[in-house]
Amino acid sequence: GQQVMQIPQYQHVQEGEDFTTYCNSSTTLSNIQWYKQRPGGHPVFLIQLVKSGEVKKQKRLTFQFGEAKKNSSLHITATQTTDVGTYFCAAIKRGNKLTFGGGTRVLVKP
Amino acid sequence: NAGVTQTPKFRVLKTGQSMTLLCAQDMNHEYMYWYRQDPGMGLRLIHYSVGEGTTAKGEVPDGYNVSRLKKQNFLLGLESAAPSQTSVYFCASSWQNEQYFGPGTRLTVT
Repeated sequence: GQQVMQIPQYQHVQEGEDFTTYCNSSTTLSNIQWYKQRPGGHPVFLIQLVKSGEVKKQKRLTFQFGEAKKNSSLHITATQTTDVGTYFCAAIKRGNKLTFGGGTRVLVKP
Repeated sequence: NAGVTQTPKFRVLKTGQSMTLLCAQDMNHEYMYWYRQDPGMGLRLIHYSVGEGTTAKGEVPDGYNVSRLKKQNFLLGLESAAPSQTSVYFCASSWQNEQYFGPGTRLTVT
């Protein structure tokens, strides 16, 4: 079945630094979504990417969909303590079903 | 709007006991889902529904049953709980691919 792999599993970031988390698939994806889950909370939708090579920005967050539509990345600039949480990518399957990656857990050092 | 709500928030069961988790949404969404999330892992789809009166299996359906008698409600049942079903259970509903998650139910089976 379709698998979505995320790296790294954990990311320790100094406050103010940048980091990137990656999402990879062995198959071509129709689109990909990103979610954020705060500690003790539930996943919250961030964005959906559909087009090959698409880049979208939300303030300090930059999302990119690869040209071959097999990978995606989330880049956060000037990390803040509010960025703490787990970031999941998810691939959409038929029937609006999502296959989630394992997530990148982000810890911020003040 | 309350969005997606889940009942109960916490529950402890003994092996072999049964229970039903209730999910309700007030957004008139057609699609609803049940996921489980285990420590350090992403979300895995248990069952889903594409509309009132319909249900379908996800990737980890064994040991669970569901019903969608009303559009706004999606029930997840455990007939005979096992320790392997200790997890956090999230319900979600979706509109145009974006999924809205409930706050979760933390279930412990001893």
